[in-house]
Amino acid sequence: QVQLQQWGAGLLKPSETLSLTCGFYGGSLSAHYWSWIRQPPGKGLEWIGEIHYIGNTKYNPSLKSRVTISIDTSKNQFSLRLNSVSAADTAVYYCAHHGVAGCYFDYWGQGALVTVSS
Amino acid sequence: QSALTQPASVSGSLGQSITISCSGTSSDIGSSNYVSWYQQYPGKAPKLMIYDVTSRPSGVSNRFSGSKSGNTASLTISGLQAEDEADYYCNSYTDNSPYVFGTGTKVTVL
Repeated sequence: QVQLQQWGAGLLKPSETLSLTCGFYGGSLSAHYWSWIRQPPGKGLEWIGEIHYIGNTKYNPSLKSRVTISIDTSKNQFSLRLNSVSAADTAVYYCAHHGVAGCYFDYWGQGALVTVSS
Repeated sequence: QSALTQPASVSGSLGQSITISCSGTSSDIGSSNYVSWYQQYPGKAPKLMIYDVTSRPSGVSNRFSGSKSGNTASLTISGLQAEDEADYYCNSYTDNSPYVFGTGTKVTVL
């Protein structure tokens, strides 16, 4: 049974750095793509970026200057860092696994609410 | 990279069929073979319902079907059931517009 479990700090102050990690269980990170997606309270989904197991990344142009996604295949984990957060970054953050063809999300983490408040 | 346009809400009676539209442009849906749809209950993670425009993952009811015409993709739910009441999001992938989500549609079962 494939599972994604995510963790990280849930309360940040403006200008701090958001840091979340997602662990993959029931398989291997190898030969797959992995994404981070967020959802502000009461709003829709926004794709943040993706990483391939060999480390290639692609980011949403609107967040590209502040986002870093990394992967640690030895630990079956991948991580998200978002710099200089503001209240607009308050959201539930999800990690997700891409399907075999690569262009959809078939497994999702449980979600983590990150609140940015002074 | 603007969000794809979905109706805010769609409703239908038990047993009826409903269709949710997802409108984009020639740069996203119009040129994409990779449209997917997700169901989301309040407080829960989204669930994949349709991928590659028309394909259904194992375990998803055959009451859910997807299609695309021009710059608009659609999700049809036939034989509407109470458990179908949820939010639904479309998503499109192209090399130039990677992973754009729709604005979301709340489905209400009357």
